[in-house]
Amino acid sequence: NAGVTQTPKFRILKIGQSMTLQCAQDMNHNYMYWYRQDPGMGLKLIYYSVGAGITDKGEVPNGYNVSRSTTEDFPLRLELAAPSQTSVYFCASSRGTGGADTQYFGPGTRLTVL
Amino acid sequence: GIQVEQSPPDLILQEGANSTLRCNFSDSVNNLQWFHQNPWGQLINLFYIPSGTKQNGRLSATTVATERYSLLYISSSQTTDSGVYFCAGVEDQAGTALIFGKGTTLSVSS
Repeated sequence: NAGVTQTPKFRILKIGQSMTLQCAQDMNHNYMYWYRQDPGMGLKLIYYSVGAGITDKGEVPNGYNVSRSTTEDFPLRLELAAPSQTSVYFCASSRGTGGADTQYFGPGTRLTVL
Repeated sequence: GIQVEQSPPDLILQEGANSTLRCNFSDSVNNLQWFHQNPWGQLINLFYIPSGTKQNGRLSATTVATERYSLLYISSSQTTDSGVYFCAGVEDQAGTALIFGKGTTLSVSS
């Protein structure tokens, strides 16, 4: 199993540009999550999904959108990128709800908005 | 409010030393987990430990839920233990999303 994969690993955007961060998992997990990690901080939840077709906002959803058309994939869309979105983005998945089951993390995408 | 606080923020050790990392969490936080983020940024789940004690090799963790704290013990530290250690929990028993502390940065030198 590849686990949780993310692409790209690095990206530089100009202010106002848009992009999609890709996330896929091959563990047949129902739950998937997007977090952002700012320098010197812990992770904050952006969006999560409890299954295909079902998504919900986390702590910091503004400026992002998600979709979950399949169990495997959970892309994160940035519209009109802003410098405040410079961060490292982690995708994660778990079999059961994140509070009662192990979350597995992808390698992260380092995004810089200039 | 919902709080997950870790101490110390930074820790420097010589190889072979032991250490204890602490995580205090507020009343609404449950189902503690410990993670290690290595110097390359990869996050690895170490323990899911809502209460009690677990051990995995040189690492062990104890959560005393009634007193709202958890401890991560690292014995005979190695340079590969370097990185950031996070504790995280969920809001209420039915919570889905993890709430992370700010982490403890551990540096182990040879």
